[in-house]
Amino acid sequence: AQTVTQSQPEMSVQEAETVTLSCTYDTSESDYYLFWYKQPPSRQMILVIRQEAYKQQNATENRFSVNFQKAAKSFSLKISDSQLGDAAMYFCAYRSASGNTGKLIFGQGTTLQVKP
Amino acid sequence: ETGVTQTPRHLVMGMTNKKSLKCEQHLGHNAMYWYKQSAKKPLELMFVYSLEERVENNSVPSRFSPECPNSSHLFLHLHTLQPEDSALYLCASSRGQVGSPLHFGNGTRLTVT
Repeated sequence: AQTVTQSQPEMSVQEAETVTLSCTYDTSESDYYLFWYKQPPSRQMILVIRQEAYKQQNATENRFSVNFQKAAKSFSLKISDSQLGDAAMYFCAYRSASGNTGKLIFGQGTTLQVKP
Repeated sequence: ETGVTQTPRHLVMGMTNKKSLKCEQHLGHNAMYWYKQSAKKPLELMFVYSLEERVENNSVPSRFSPECPNSSHLFLHLHTLQPEDSALYLCASSRGQVGSPLHFGNGTRLTVT
């Protein structure tokens, strides 16, 4: 079974600085998808970024980018020029490319604090 | 984003009550999910419906009963719950294509007294 691990329960960053959130996963599959979701106090899980395992190029969405290391099964999220609105809980998630359920397997989450 | 709407936002119920959580998606998706989010634990998948057919049931106690009458609506019927069932219940939907992300609602905060 696949597992996702986020080893940092809490992180903090100064506004305008850069922070990296860690995520590792375990799987025997070669084809899968990885996601980062953000959950602000409003509680809605918002998709931040998506990575396809068969693509070596790291995904980027504006100030958000990932460092995808397939061999190491690592998928970290880098937030550049941090803003107060980035404060939230961040979840890393895994989705198999096989099967018909499309379910996501989540890590435990990392709470990010942004200091003004 | 208001593509996935959950009601009610908050719910307090006694252990002998019967209540239902509702989820509606306006995104044209054909798969819907119920997740449970408890403090200090990863999100737990409860049920998955694809094209209105339940395709996964993650050993959820029978006091939770899902219903998917069509591809836009998903319900979670609750009866004789326990205090440990208090949690945030999140509904999500996705397209059928492999790799499609899930879109979540705002969740229902459930407290069982």
